[in-house]
Amino acid sequence: EAGVVQSPRYKIIEKKQPVAFWCNPISGHNTLYWYRQNLGQGPELLIRYENEEAVDDSQLPKDRFSAERLKGVDSTLKIQPAELGDSAVYLCASSLDGVKNTEAFFGQGTRLTVV
Amino acid sequence: AQSVTQPDIHITVSEGASLELRCNYSYGATPYLFWYVQSPGQGLQLLLKYFSGDTLVQGIKGFEAEFKRSQSSFNLRKPSVHWSDAAEYFCAVPSGSARQLTFGSGTQLTVLP
Repeated sequence: EAGVVQSPRYKIIEKKQPVAFWCNPISGHNTLYWYRQNLGQGPELLIRYENEEAVDDSQLPKDRFSAERLKGVDSTLKIQPAELGDSAVYLCASSLDGVKNTEAFFGQGTRLTVV
Repeated sequence: AQSVTQPDIHITVSEGASLELRCNYSYGATPYLFWYVQSPGQGLQLLLKYFSGDTLVQGIKGFEAEFKRSQSSFNLRKPSVHWSDAAEYFCAVPSGSARQLTFGSGTQLTVLP
């Protein structure tokens, strides 16, 4: 069974440019997460989807970040315009039914460098 | 809100030596606790989790962790470290109505030959 698939693996962009990340969760997983991991830190939640509904986006910087999960499957995270401080690894994860009852599986992440 | 603290940023051990990584939690009731590992260029992988019951939890790759309420700790241990264990280790607790994870800052493990 394929795991959580993210693309691209690496992205280098100039500041003020837009960028998008794509995530394909494990088939059948209703819950999808986007985390941001800054260098030397633990992942921090940006947004959580239950099916196609964004149920927790309190940590998403809504002035420049947006996300969508069409049809409750794939998801896209966008930054426009990117800033130098957005350089980080963006991790996508999915779970069948939250983290207490089922395991959250993580993709390999997209490493974003803003120059 | 629940949180976890990992006091050690970086630990170095020799191959074959024992390992203990520290994790302290802040929560009044019995917490749910997780340990994840992140190898270079890889996503996070669940090593083990504690929900209730036996306070000594066995995980994958020969790891175990012990829940100690009196010390508010959930330390990760391995009796004999292998070079392939070099990675970053994260302790985590559920948040958001237990639908998502809140991670500690991580401990980077270096294994010397």
